[in-house]
Amino acid sequence: EDQVTQSPEALRLQEGESSSLNCSYTVSGLRGLFWYRQDPGKGPEFLFTLYSAGEEKEKERLKATLTKKESFLHITAPKPEDSATYLCAVQARGSGNTGKLIFGQGTTLQVKP
Amino acid sequence: KAGVTQTPRYLIKTRGQQVTLSCSPISGHRSVSWYQQTPGQGLQFLFEYFSETQRNKGNFPGRFSGRQFSNSRSEMNVSTLELGDSALYLCASTLSGLSNTGELFFGEGSRLTVL
Repeated sequence: EDQVTQSPEALRLQEGESSSLNCSYTVSGLRGLFWYRQDPGKGPEFLFTLYSAGEEKEKERLKATLTKKESFLHITAPKPEDSATYLCAVQARGSGNTGKLIFGQGTTLQVKP
Repeated sequence: KAGVTQTPRYLIKTRGQQVTLSCSPISGHRSVSWYQQTPGQGLQFLFEYFSETQRNKGNFPGRFSGRQFSNSRSEMNVSTLELGDSALYLCASTLSGLSNTGELFFGEGSRLTVL
């Protein structure tokens, strides 16, 4: 069964304290791995897509990496505005080019000033 | 460019009733996906519509149904509501699928409470 597991469930950081969020996945043929950010009361907002092991993507203080079994979202020198729930999702090859993603439970990040 | 619009934003129903939620995708987008988000299960895929046809479906009972109109607007319906149907229902649109970027554009959701 295709599955995505994120850890930790919650993470509290001081402003400037770098850390990493983990996303482990099992999927019958990975088409793509996606990171989204979700603020309270809002829908998820797209961050990155990774397609193959070894791939890396960066955006401001965020950097996503991918291996054959997991992905990491590294947050460097976070600011309070980075506080949000970060969601990891995968698409299996059998889903084709459709909107079907399998999401993890998310990691809720709180950055204190 | 207007984003994905979902209505209503909040609603309260009682067990046994039915509910219809609406989603207007970004102009030009033809694919609409629906997701259910709960604290216990997270985001779960319900179904996707493209050009008025359902082309993918998640593991939800038949009480959950949807449709898409010729203008790409979509509705989902839940009949015989149960307490466990309380959730945030999210709609997402894309041009035709995940495309090369893998980006789904989500609305802000409809929060359903079943009493």
